[in-house]
Amino acid sequence: EIVLTQSPGTLSLSPGERATLSCRTSQSVSSSYLAWYQQKPGQAPRLLIYGASSRATGIPDRFSGSESGTHFTLTISRLEPEDFAVYYCQQYGTSPTWTFGQGTKVEVK
Amino acid sequence: QVQLVESGGDLVKPGGSLKLSCAASGFTFSDYYMSWIRQPPGRGLEWVSYISTTGTTVYYADSVKGRFTISRDNAKNSLYLQMNSLRAEDSAVYYCARDKSRDGYSHFDYWGQGIPVTVSS
Repeated sequence: EIVLTQSPGTLSLSPGERATLSCRTSQSVSSSYLAWYQQKPGQAPRLLIYGASSRATGIPDRFSGSESGTHFTLTISRLEPEDFAVYYCQQYGTSPTWTFGQGTKVEVK
Repeated sequence: QVQLVESGGDLVKPGGSLKLSCAASGFTFSDYYMSWIRQPPGRGLEWVSYISTTGTTVYYADSVKGRFTISRDNAKNSLYLQMNSLRAEDSAVYYCARDKSRDGYSHFDYWGQGIPVTVSS
C-alpha cells in the first residue's frame, strides 16, 4: 500500500507570499495518477491539479504542480486571501485504491 | 452545471444500517465512474468505494469491505451506498465524487456537498 506523506502539517504565511507544499510517496508512482485538492472549512474538496502538473478547469495559474521522483510539490506563487485552506495530495494506485495524504493547512501568519 | 447532491445521512446506533444516495445532474451520469469518499470530524479524506459506469465493477477500502455496498441506477442518475454493521469509526461526512476521466481510475473533479453520518449509542 502506497503512503502519501505531506509536509509541513501547517504553513503560516502572509498574503502575497509563496507557498510550497510537499507530498512524498512511499513508492514510485506514475505522475499521471497524482492530484492536489483544496478544501475550505465546511466545503467539499476542489480539484486543483491532476497528472502532477495540469491545472483543473478554472484554477488560476498561480497554482502549479511539479514532481521529482517520489516527491511532488504544489506551489502557490502569490497567496491570495481565498487560498488559505487545507490542501491534500491524492494518488490512484494498484489494487486499485485511491489514497490521500494527511493534508497541509495553509494559515494566515 | 454538474451537481451532486447527497442524502440519507443520519444518527444511527452501532451495528445499525443506513443507505446514502447521491443524485447527479448536469452531465451524462452513465458515462462516468463514481466514488464515495469520507472525512471523519476534524480529520483527512478517506476513499471508501468506487463503481464503474455499468455498476459491474466495484472496489472497497479494506475498512468497509464486507459491510458496505456501492451501487448505481443510471436510469435515475443516482449513486448509492448501503452501509451495514456500522461502527463508531464510520462516523464522518460522506461525499460522492465523479471520476474526472471517462476511462475511470483517475481523480475526482466534482464532489457533492457531503452528508454527515453519526454512529453513536
